[in-house]
Amino acid sequence: AQSVAQPEDQVNVAEGNPLTVKCTYSVSGNPYLFWYVQYPNRGLQFLLKYITGDNLVKGSYGFEAEFNKSQTSFHLKKPSALVSDSALYFCALCNNNDMRFGAGTRLTVKP
Amino acid sequence: NAGVTQTPKFRVLKTGQSMTLLCAQDMNHEYMYWYRQDPGMGLRLIHYSVGEGTTAKGEVPDGYNVSRLKKQNFLLGLESAAPSQTSVYFCASSLMTEAFFGQGTRLTVV
Repeated sequence: AQSVAQPEDQVNVAEGNPLTVKCTYSVSGNPYLFWYVQYPNRGLQFLLKYITGDNLVKGSYGFEAEFNKSQTSFHLKKPSALVSDSALYFCALCNNNDMRFGAGTRLTVKP
Repeated sequence: NAGVTQTPKFRVLKTGQSMTLLCAQDMNHEYMYWYRQDPGMGLRLIHYSVGEGTTAKGEVPDGYNVSRLKKQNFLLGLESAAPSQTSVYFCASSLMTEAFFGQGTRLTVV
């Protein structure tokens, strides 16, 4: 069985500060990992993915994520948060065409 | 290019009624998914399909059926709706790199 966990329901940061949204996973085999963002009353939008290769992947809007196999983690990061980054963030794991999501983390960036 | 289109966008059903949600994609994607989104629970996979004529169960398949008769369409059916099926339903399609989501269907079962 595969699963994704986002241990924080909510993350609050001040504008201009770095942000981290945490994700851990459990799967047998090599994972395909993703981050998506959801704005109010919208579907999810793709941010970035890890398939293979460099452990640090860069994505849209200045976001990046670090794949750590030993810690089974894939944390989302951004060096300097913007108020417009406030949204719901989902980590996802795909294995054998079965794509599962974490429960989501609500990011609030305060001016 | 419409991407992924879900119909209807909103629906209210009475307990025991049936309905079908339609998902259509114009990107020639092989993989399609149905999720439900509930507060605090993220997106839970209901059923998915890896190609025309194929379907598979996800995390929460009970009470739902699906069909993929055409590559571009993925239908989600509720045979006898229950209040526990009140949720926002999202369809997605993918080529196994990134998934594209529809705008969602808000379903209320009373």
